[in-house]
Amino acid sequence: NAGVTQTPKFRVLKTGQSMTLLCAQDMNHEYMYWYRQDPGMGLRLIHYSVGEGTTAKGEVPDGYNVSRLKKQNFLLGLESAAPSQTSVYFCASSVDRGRSQETQYFGPGTRLLVL
Amino acid sequence: GQNIDQPTEMTATEGAIVQINCTYQTSGFNGLFWYQQHAGEAPTFLSYNVLDGLEEKGRFSSFLSRSKGYSYLLLKELQMKDSASYLCAVLDSNYQLIWGAGTKLIIKP
Repeated sequence: NAGVTQTPKFRVLKTGQSMTLLCAQDMNHEYMYWYRQDPGMGLRLIHYSVGEGTTAKGEVPDGYNVSRLKKQNFLLGLESAAPSQTSVYFCASSVDRGRSQETQYFGPGTRLLVL
Repeated sequence: GQNIDQPTEMTATEGAIVQINCTYQTSGFNGLFWYQQHAGEAPTFLSYNVLDGLEEKGRFSSFLSRSKGYSYLLLKELQMKDSASYLCAVLDSNYQLIWGAGTKLIIKP
């Protein structure tokens, strides 16, 4: 059981370049999330998904797009990277968002530097 | 707006006890979580409180007072491996997790 995995672990982009971050989970979880974590700030939700084929905006969605074509995968895309998107990106999954006791399981993170 | 406050950094001595406080103002309340995050790693779940009172789990305990919008995480018999950031997060009325910025705990020998 790998849990939640993320690729790549680290990436350097130039302003204007695009990239896709991949998140995969093998726990058969319905819910998946993309967060960014910046120094001195809490985790901020970018987008989330309540099931295969569905996505929704979180707190800071601008500049990002997502897709959930398969239940186990959740992709985060940056169409035109900006220095403000330099951050650590975490993917997480959970069984059910409605059951408030349910914890989220996090991937190891992707460190993105945009020059 | 929604807000979660916790101290930025705390220092404690190995073997001692430390209490990390968290106060919150959120749109609704469906529970409060504590996560531990070692430097460069992912957050991992520590505890969950939805009713007032103390939840004990080994060396770690978490307390909640919903009327005061207040929680604390108590760590006993501190070990060097407890050096980490501790994140407080509240599940609001839309079942969205609102995260605090985290408290960096430094353990000294």
